[in-house]
Amino acid sequence: DAGVIQSPRHEVTEMGQEVTLRCKPISGHNSLFWYRQTMMRGLELLIYFNNNVPIDDSGMPEDRFSAKMPNASFSTLKIQPSEPRDSAVYFCASSQDRSNEQFFGPGTRLTVL
Amino acid sequence: DQQVKQNSPSLSVQEGRISILNCDYTNSMFDYFLWYKKYPAEGPTFLISISSIKDKNEDGRFTVFLNKSAKHLSLHIVPSQPGDSAVYFCAASARLYAGNMLTFGGGTRLMVKP
Repeated sequence: DAGVIQSPRHEVTEMGQEVTLRCKPISGHNSLFWYRQTMMRGLELLIYFNNNVPIDDSGMPEDRFSAKMPNASFSTLKIQPSEPRDSAVYFCASSQDRSNEQFFGPGTRLTVL
Repeated sequence: DQQVKQNSPSLSVQEGRISILNCDYTNSMFDYFLWYKKYPAEGPTFLISISSIKDKNEDGRFTVFLNKSAKHLSLHIVPSQPGDSAVYFCAASARLYAGNMLTFGGGTRLMVKP
């Protein structure tokens, strides 16, 4: 299995631009998680999907952030408009329902200038 | 309010010695704990876990200890190897209440010197 796939690996954009991060979970996994890693706050959970339905989005910083999971094999995290403070590494992870072990993708390093 | 804390941002250990990474939690509903290891430019990878019904779990050089009364867990690596140099994250889950969601600590950077 290829593992969790994220794209792009790096994204540099200017303040105010829209950014879309993509994730393909491991086949057969029905839970998907988006995390953000920063020096100040470590690994923060942004949103959690189960069977393509958002279960907990309390970690989404503000309305500029949105996430979708149109099917079991694809999810997006969108930031519109982006701000310099959104600069971080964004990870996607997936797991099976009955397991607490989450498998992480390689992350997307976002830099907003 | 951080529910899972790793109070040591970094730790330096000599090769062959024991590395002890610590983690404290505040939520008494947590019943499952995991350690993840992260290399630069890679995602975290699962290392070892422990259920709250146990106080110790061992896997090769890695042992996790859980002290429920103190709400404290630790990861022991012995002997430490240079390849163990990475950031280690502690994570906790309240399976009965929050399914398979994890709450992560801030991480501890371990440096194993040859």
